Amino acid sequence: DGGITQSPKYLFRKEGQNVTLSCEQNLNHDAMYWYRQDPGQGLRLIYYSQIVNDFQKGDIAEGYSVSREKKESFPLTVTSAQKNPTAFYLCASSQGQGVTEAFFGQGTRLTVV
Amino acid sequence: GNSVTQMEGPVTLSEEAFLTINCTYTATGYPSLFWYVQYPGEGLQLLLKATKADDKGSNKGFEATYRKETTSFHLEKGSVQVSDSAVYFCALSPFHSGGYQKVTFGIGTKLQVIP
Repeated sequence: DGGITQSPKYLFRKEGQNVTLSCEQNLNHDAMYWYRQDPGQGLRLIYYSQIVNDFQKGDIAEGYSVSREKKESFPLTVTSAQKNPTAFYLCASSQGQGVTEAFFGQGTRLTVV
Repeated sequence: GNSVTQMEGPVTLSEEAFLTINCTYTATGYPSLFWYVQYPGEGLQLLLKATKADDKGSNKGFEATYRKETTSFHLEKGSVQVSDSAVYFCALSPFHSGGYQKVTFGIGTKLQVIP
């Protein structure tokens, strides 16, 4: 079955450490996205990528980094510069080229301890 | 800029009650409108969509009509079930001929259905 897979589902990090969240899709979608979800704030866009080897900052990119070396993969690194990283992170993909219906992964809950 | 407004809830209903979750938006032109649903501990799933004025999106007994005159896209269901308990997100995507189209999400409305 085609879909988008995030791993791990739960992640714990000590303060000062970088951590990488995985996102893989086998839908052959061009575009991929990372969102952060906090209670009462909906979804906020961190980074997006429309094509391999290219990505753009979203609304809250500070303290995060991404790469897009393969069409299928769009990992997100939460760096120690992110002041409040505890949140639920969602990866999504879409066909791109004007098609905006997005498919979401199951999410990763990151907790800083 | 674009924005989507919906109540946060929670909305608590008894099983078989009628559901309405209001959604209003601000955008220029003719955006596409969406409702997504998020079950506990999971990602979002597209529930329904409408791409032009007066279109009605429907799925799994849920409906929403794109009302440009009132800039609204209210979600309705005639008879809710316990399994409908989830968070519902209204979203819009601006019209664009190609390239990236930023999707703007509302804050999500939590629905609790009690037996």
